[in-house]
Amino acid sequence: DIQLTQSPSFLSASVGDRVTITCRASQFISTYLAWYQQKPGKAPKLLIYAASTLQSGVPSRFSGSGSETEFTLTISSLQPEDFATYYCQQLNMYPRIFTFGPGTKVDIK
Amino acid sequence: QVTLKESGPVLVKPTETLTLTCTVSGFSLSDPRMGVSWIRQPPGKALEWLAHIFSNDEKFYSTSLKTRLTISKDTSKSQVVLTVTNMDPVDTATYYCARTGGTSGRDFDYWGQGTLVTVSS
Repeated sequence: DIQLTQSPSFLSASVGDRVTITCRASQFISTYLAWYQQKPGKAPKLLIYAASTLQSGVPSRFSGSGSETEFTLTISSLQPEDFATYYCQQLNMYPRIFTFGPGTKVDIK
Repeated sequence: QVTLKESGPVLVKPTETLTLTCTVSGFSLSDPRMGVSWIRQPPGKALEWLAHIFSNDEKFYSTSLKTRLTISKDTSKSQVVLTVTNMDPVDTATYYCARTGGTSGRDFDYWGQGTLVTVSS
């Protein structure tokens, strides 16, 4: 099975900071990667799919990039509502298995 | 408006079988673009994908849990059901159902609110 790792696991940042989270896949996954935001007690929310496509309604300060095995989620100017945990996710086609990364918690400095 | 809602017991005993139902609205389980997964999250831990079912009834499962999982759907009732056999305290988690098909088909664009299941005697 393809494994996803995220770095860092935790980051402390201030409002207005530029934040970058990295997701690495153990094998080539083309651009089939998604990013989610999860706040405590809530279901995850899709932010980015196909590595770089912004989901409808998601603020443009969120962006995604990358391909093959290395991907990044960038928040250009961190807002108070962005403090949350972020997960990457991919679907392996053969065999068909969805995988989530271990998560990156973004906390207030 | 697309919604998914999980229902089932909040407490199960070790060795029992858990049955969870996801009731969807705003889309059809017979739509060839659509699929539904079950995903769980133990308290304070990461998301773990469990099982997925497509509109054509194709199913696939987590490698580590496949012997304990069964996913099925009733299109007429707009429901997707997950059973997990031989429950253990480590299976205590919030269980979510989520939809694929509204975007790339490889990600989850809508999620239910989740239901917390505790395994304890």
